[in-house]
Amino acid sequence: SQKIEQNSEALNIQEGKTATLTCNYTNYSPAYLQWYRQDPGRGPVFLLLIRENEKEKRKERLKVTFDTTLKQSLFHITASQPADSATYLCALDSNQGGKLIFGQGTELSVKP
Amino acid sequence: NAGVTQTPKFRVLKTGQSMTLLCAQDMNHEYMYWYRQDPGMGLRLIHYSVGEGTTAKGEVPDGYNVSRLKKQNFLLGLESAAPSQTSVYFCASSRRTGSLRNTEAFFGQGTRLTVV
Repeated sequence: SQKIEQNSEALNIQEGKTATLTCNYTNYSPAYLQWYRQDPGRGPVFLLLIRENEKEKRKERLKVTFDTTLKQSLFHITASQPADSATYLCALDSNQGGKLIFGQGTELSVKP
Repeated sequence: NAGVTQTPKFRVLKTGQSMTLLCAQDMNHEYMYWYRQDPGMGLRLIHYSVGEGTTAKGEVPDGYNVSRLKKQNFLLGLESAAPSQTSVYFCASSRRTGSLRNTEAFFGQGTRLTVV
């Protein structure tokens, strides 16, 4: 069955460091992969989308890589700030015509 | 521009009662979704719709029904609520690309449902 896995353990890092979050998937091919940010009590907010033929995408301090051979995406936040503290979710849009499935999310905490 | 609006924001139901959650979007999106979010479980897809008059099952459809009679509205129904359906429910919508893929999804603010 199709599965998306993110590191369920919270990630704690120091301000200024680079945060790296992982998203692994099985039985999806090919795929568009999306990353979202969710703050407590709020709905997720879209950050980046990367297509199966793209290796890397950047937006300001954010970088996403996509390895379809490893079936893995890495999400990086460089020069992290306490305001980056949130839960980050990855989502896969498989080739099933509209179905959008999310991972369980990874909580990031950036300490000053 | 309202985006995606969910009603109600909070609701307490007794076991066995029924209710309908309403989702409305004003972005003319083809795709609409209902998710539930429980602690440590992320977002789980209940049902989704790829267009007016069409719906499909997601990962956890049991106990729920949906309808999409108008393109801008997606209704989620609980016919006989159970305590296991206590959760936060999110509606989302997204535009369809020419290759039937998703673009970014826009989410509502969520509905917190408690079944006692």
